[in-house]
Amino acid sequence: DAGVTQSPTHLIKTRGQHVTLRCSPISGHKSVSWYQQVLGQGPQFIFQYYEKEERGRGNFPDRFSARQFPNYSSELNVNALLLGDSALYLCASSFIRTGNTGELFFGEGSRLTVL
Amino acid sequence: GESVGLHLPTLSVQEGDNSIINCAYSNSASDYFIWYKQESGKGPQFIIDIRSNMDKRQGQRVTVLLNKTVKHLSLQIAATQPGDSAVYFCAENNAGNMLTFGGGTRLMVKP
Repeated sequence: DAGVTQSPTHLIKTRGQHVTLRCSPISGHKSVSWYQQVLGQGPQFIFQYYEKEERGRGNFPDRFSARQFPNYSSELNVNALLLGDSALYLCASSFIRTGNTGELFFGEGSRLTVL
Repeated sequence: GESVGLHLPTLSVQEGDNSIINCAYSNSASDYFIWYKQESGKGPQFIIDIRSNMDKRQGQRVTVLLNKTVKHLSLQIAATQPGDSAVYFCAENNAGNMLTFGGGTRLMVKP
């Protein structure tokens, strides 16, 4: 069975540019979450989407946006890139949104480097 | 592979010994906790979870202990193996699978 897939795996951008990261959840999972992991730290929650609607947002500026498509795949967009946006961006999917019984499955991440 | 963390606290153990990794959490209202293992170049992988109405849960070679009084979690790995070498994170699930992760601990297993 395919796990959570993310693309691209690595990318390099320059300050001020825009980036789009993509995520396909595990088949049957309707909830997708995005996390940012800066080197040396734990992942930080950015967004959660469920049934194509934003259900949660972490403490990130408006330069960060996301959406979920009818097939439950998702995109994370970051505008006006800053050096501090360099990180591993992780996508996670789960079958259910609410409650605490839905295990979160993470993809391998997209490594973004901003020069 | 790419390192997931260069300045993390490190626990070094001998192969076959038991490992104990500790974590302090922040939100006393958190009612669900998870331990993740992250190998270099990979995403976090679920190890074991525990609800706040429990103080201990056992899996295969792993045990999680929860002390709500002092807001402390620990992960015990029995008979640590080289394949256990990774960075370990605890996470609080405050609402609807929106996780708050701790800072992580690097486990190094010496053969």
